[in-house]
Amino acid sequence: DAGVTQSPTHLIKTRGQQVTLRCSPKSGHDTVSWYQQALGQGPQFIFQYYEEEERQRGNFPDRFSGHQFPNYSSELNVNALLLGDSALYLCASSWGQSANTGELFFGEGSRLTVL
Amino acid sequence: DQQVKQNSPSLSVQEGRISILNCDYTNSMFDYFLWYKKYPAEGPTFLISISSIKDKNEDGRFTVFLNKSAKHLSLHIVPSQPGDSAVYFCAASAPLSGGNQFYFGTGTSLTVIP
Repeated sequence: DAGVTQSPTHLIKTRGQQVTLRCSPKSGHDTVSWYQQALGQGPQFIFQYYEEEERQRGNFPDRFSGHQFPNYSSELNVNALLLGDSALYLCASSWGQSANTGELFFGEGSRLTVL
Repeated sequence: DQQVKQNSPSLSVQEGRISILNCDYTNSMFDYFLWYKKYPAEGPTFLISISSIKDKNEDGRFTVFLNKSAKHLSLHIVPSQPGDSAVYFCAASAPLSGGNQFYFGTGTSLTVIP
């Protein structure tokens, strides 16, 4: 049973560029959430996708966008990269949109460095 | 605005002793709390949870206590083992937030000394 898989694991970009991160949820899960974890901080909620739509969004600018595909996999896109976007981006999957009592299954993350 | 706070960045404990990790929150609407453990180069993994209708939940060596009046929860690990060395995050969610929007603390790095 494959867990949550993310790609790429590491990447380096320069300011102003765009990046796409990918996530495959755990088998049987239909909901994907994205979190940003800056160095020394806890994960911060970016948004959640369910039924191919963004259902909930945290306090992140529109430069952060996403997509969910029919197979439940998801992408996170960040445009016009800033130095402050350097962080570990975590994908978490779960079953059901409103399962706020459900535990999240996290991937290993994508480490983004913006120079 | 940090709604979930872990004020101790690090904690060192001797093997076999009790580890107590603390977490405070400010949002009285939070009704579900979780603890996650994170090893380097890995994603956080779920450890234990508690609903606001309870004040204690136990799972093997791990016990979480919730004090709603103080808006405080703690994780007790007894006995502590070297393999428990990791960063521990507490997280909380509110029913109105829907979905799985969890608010995480900044983490406590636990070192269990053999």
